[in-house]
Amino acid sequence: KAGVTQTPRYLIKTRGQQVTLSCSPISGHRSVSWYQQTPGQGLQFLFEYFSETQRNKGNFPGRFSGRQFSNSRSEMNVSTLELGDSALYLCASSMVGDEQFFGPGTRLTVL
Amino acid sequence: SQQGEEDPQALSIQEGENATMNCSYKTSINNLQWYRQNSGRGLVHLILIRSNEREKHSGRLRVTLDTSKKSSSLLITASRAADTASYFCATDDTATGNQFYFGTGTSLTVIP
Repeated sequence: KAGVTQTPRYLIKTRGQQVTLSCSPISGHRSVSWYQQTPGQGLQFLFEYFSETQRNKGNFPGRFSGRQFSNSRSEMNVSTLELGDSALYLCASSMVGDEQFFGPGTRLTVL
Repeated sequence: SQQGEEDPQALSIQEGENATMNCSYKTSINNLQWYRQNSGRGLVHLILIRSNEREKHSGRLRVTLDTSKKSSSLLITASRAADTASYFCATDDTATGNQFYFGTGTSLTVIP
């Protein structure tokens, strides 16, 4: 069974730009969660999607948004990038109430 | 905000020794999970323990859960150099369901 895949793996953007990251969950998993990992703040929950609906949202500004498609694939978008948005963005999929399986992450650098 | 806190923040041991790391959390949970992360890569799921379980084993891993103290421990026996990584605990919250909170992690170094 293929694991969680994330694209792209690395991304360099400049302040003010926007970015879209993609996540393909494990087949059959309908829950997809996104996390931001930085050295200072650690792993922070962004949001969780289930059946194309956002069920939970972390404490991030509205510049961070996401969506989920009918095939459970998910995208997250960050608009008006700031230097502090530089981070490893991790996506995880799961069956509800079960362990989360993480993708390799997208390393975003904002210059 | 982060719910889990791991202790110690860093641990250095010799190959063959046992490594114990602890996790404390704040709210009622459905389950607690432990993950390993190698040098800025994705997280690898190690073990899940449910709130009605007290102990769970998987290979060289042993996890305990004490819901009265809101704490968990991860024991890695007979450590190997390949166990060098950061270890995180993650908890859900019965109030928010499938939203997981990660601790700050324990950085484990196993010296060959």
